Amino acid sequence: GESVGLHLPTLSVQEGDNSIINCAYSNSASDYFIWYKQESGKGPQFIIDIRSNMDKRQGQRVTVLLNKTVKHLSLQIAATQPGDSAVYFCAELIGGGYQKVTFGTGTKLQVIP
Amino acid sequence: ETGVTQSPTHLIKTRGQQVTLRCSSQSGHNTVSWYQQALGQGPQFIFQYYREEENGRGNFPPRFSGLQFPNYSSELNVNALELDDSALYLCASSSPGTGFDNEQFFGPGTRLTVL
Repeated sequence: GESVGLHLPTLSVQEGDNSIINCAYSNSASDYFIWYKQESGKGPQFIIDIRSNMDKRQGQRVTVLLNKTVKHLSLQIAATQPGDSAVYFCAELIGGGYQKVTFGTGTKLQVIP
Repeated sequence: ETGVTQSPTHLIKTRGQQVTLRCSSQSGHNTVSWYQQALGQGPQFIFQYYREEENGRGNFPPRFSGLQFPNYSSELNVNALELDDSALYLCASSSPGTGFDNEQFFGPGTRLTVL
């Protein structure tokens, strides 16, 4: 399949370890922050979102942390598996009228078996 | 439940031509958004359609236009193709107001190459 991970920052993690993917954002007016996973040859897949007035949200094996003071977002993946290998994008959503999602530059996660 | 589908999968055009890309939204979704993804970059928002009306647009010129039909499927039209239009074009469907407001379901994309 085609690669969406060219020239992207890469994070290599041993299978079973925890992964932390970081993202800096710029728009303080964003209502939500969203993490997407994109595998080669596929469209982005929604992982988890967090409202701007929250600091932390947990899902299945994933945790998103939001630090509004330094405009930083992170995605933590517990017990990383080979199937987690993909490009991960953080995105900002400003609501009100329509859903405009602004994607950041992705991070390529490589899981080493 | 049928997911988001897009056609064609791949397309090759020459500069100056026009192209139409198609998207069938997920069952029950009334909103479709289109994105352009250049190689190695994140998707860029083109526009969004809600109940057959464009209700939001990104920083793309007017030669990028769209339609949404009564069954909520959608088309993206690009006129006067330029080399820089070569990209993966993604559509995403959603249904705001259902409690899953932020979850957009993406199709696999159409890879457009302009020569």
